[in-house]
Amino acid sequence: GAVVSQHPSWVICKSGTSVKIECRSLDFQATTMFWYRQFPKQSLMLMATSNEGSKATYEQGVEKDKFLINHASLTLSTLTVTSAHPEDSSFYICSASSGGAVKTQYFGPGTRLLVL
Amino acid sequence: AQSVTQPDIHITVSEGASLELRCNYSYGATPYLFWYVQSPGQGLQLLLKYFSGDTLVQGIKGFEAEFKRSQSSFNLRKPSVHWSDAAEYFCAVASGAGGTSYGKLTFGQGTILTVHP
Repeated sequence: GAVVSQHPSWVICKSGTSVKIECRSLDFQATTMFWYRQFPKQSLMLMATSNEGSKATYEQGVEKDKFLINHASLTLSTLTVTSAHPEDSSFYICSASSGGAVKTQYFGPGTRLLVL
Repeated sequence: AQSVTQPDIHITVSEGASLELRCNYSYGATPYLFWYVQSPGQGLQLLLKYFSGDTLVQGIKGFEAEFKRSQSSFNLRKPSVHWSDAAEYFCAVASGAGGTSYGKLTFGQGTILTVHP
């Protein structure tokens, strides 16, 4: 149980284009999804928190107009990197939780983005 | 603000040896603690978690962790390491309900485990 998928697993795009990453909870309903970014040999950095049906809450320093997050259903959240640039190249990981007094997060396998 | 420290960046053990990965946290209220494992190029897999109750928690793959409030620690242990345990391990603390940081995880820096045959 508690399986989270991400698609695509990796993507290469040209600078200036937009890329959409999907995060799905396969066997549970996720009231909250989180988006992280991980640089090589570093820990995870939380980018934003999204609750189903409401606007995402972005962490300080994360551009909300650049990283668009949509959480339209209890099983799907999307992250769109708009007008991607080489510095946006990174490993993006989502997680999903089903609520409760303390939320246990279950992570997807990650999406590696390379912007040329 | 909550924080997590994993003092060991890299640990090397021989296959079959015992393992202990250290984790210290700083949190003003009752901590909710997690250990995750990440293989190269992969997402994170939950090994175990502590919310309350018995301070020794059992997880998957033969791992266990002990919560020690007096030492603000939540160390991960395994009695006999297998080569497949080689990965990066992250300790994390979560905020409980009632605050603006509800559910957010704060991660430690990670400990890379290398297993020698």
